[in-house]
Amino acid sequence: AQTVTQSQPEMSVQEAETVTLSCTYDTSENNYYLFWYKQPPSRQMILVIRQEAYKQQNATENRFSVNFQKAAKSFSLKISDSQLGDTAMYFCAFMKPEGAQKLVFGQGTRLTINP
Amino acid sequence: DADVTQTPRNRITKTGKRIMLECSQTKGHDRMYWYRQDPGLGLRLIYYSFDVKDINKGEISDGYSVSRQAQAKFSLSLESAIPNQTALYFCATSDPSGTGHNEQFFGPGTRLTVL
Repeated sequence: AQTVTQSQPEMSVQEAETVTLSCTYDTSENNYYLFWYKQPPSRQMILVIRQEAYKQQNATENRFSVNFQKAAKSFSLKISDSQLGDTAMYFCAFMKPEGAQKLVFGQGTRLTINP
Repeated sequence: DADVTQTPRNRITKTGKRIMLECSQTKGHDRMYWYRQDPGLGLRLIYYSFDVKDINKGEISDGYSVSRQAQAKFSLSLESAIPNQTALYFCATSDPSGTGHNEQFFGPGTRLTVL
């Protein structure tokens, strides 16, 4: 079974700084997807960024980028020029593309951006 | 209008009561999922359904049941609620054959408290 670990329960940075959230996972699969979801105080789960394991290029979405290290089974999220609206819970998640396509989530990292 | 809706948004009930959480979607997706979120544990899969006639247990299905009344509706029931079922519950949908690259779309969540 796959597992996802987020070792940073909480993080706090100043506005405009860059912050990196860590995520490691364990799987014997070669083909899979990795995701970062954001959960603001509204509770809504919002997809931030997605990475296909077969792609060597790291995914980027505006101020959000990932560092995907397949051999190390590491998938960190970097937020550049952080904004107050980035304050949220962030979840790393794993998915096998075959079968149930269920998401396996990490424990979450609570990120606070301070003015 | 939201594509995935959940009712109720918040519910307080007592131990032993039967509770139904409802999920509706207008995205036309065949696949629907129920997750529960607990602090420090992330989200975990309770049940999932590929269509009206295909329902499957997730990793934490004990104490829960589901009903897929139509493609657009997927309900989660707690037959006899207990306090450790106090959690945030999410419904999600996906369409593997679409252009969403295996993205799951989440409802707004239901906060359930069992006293």
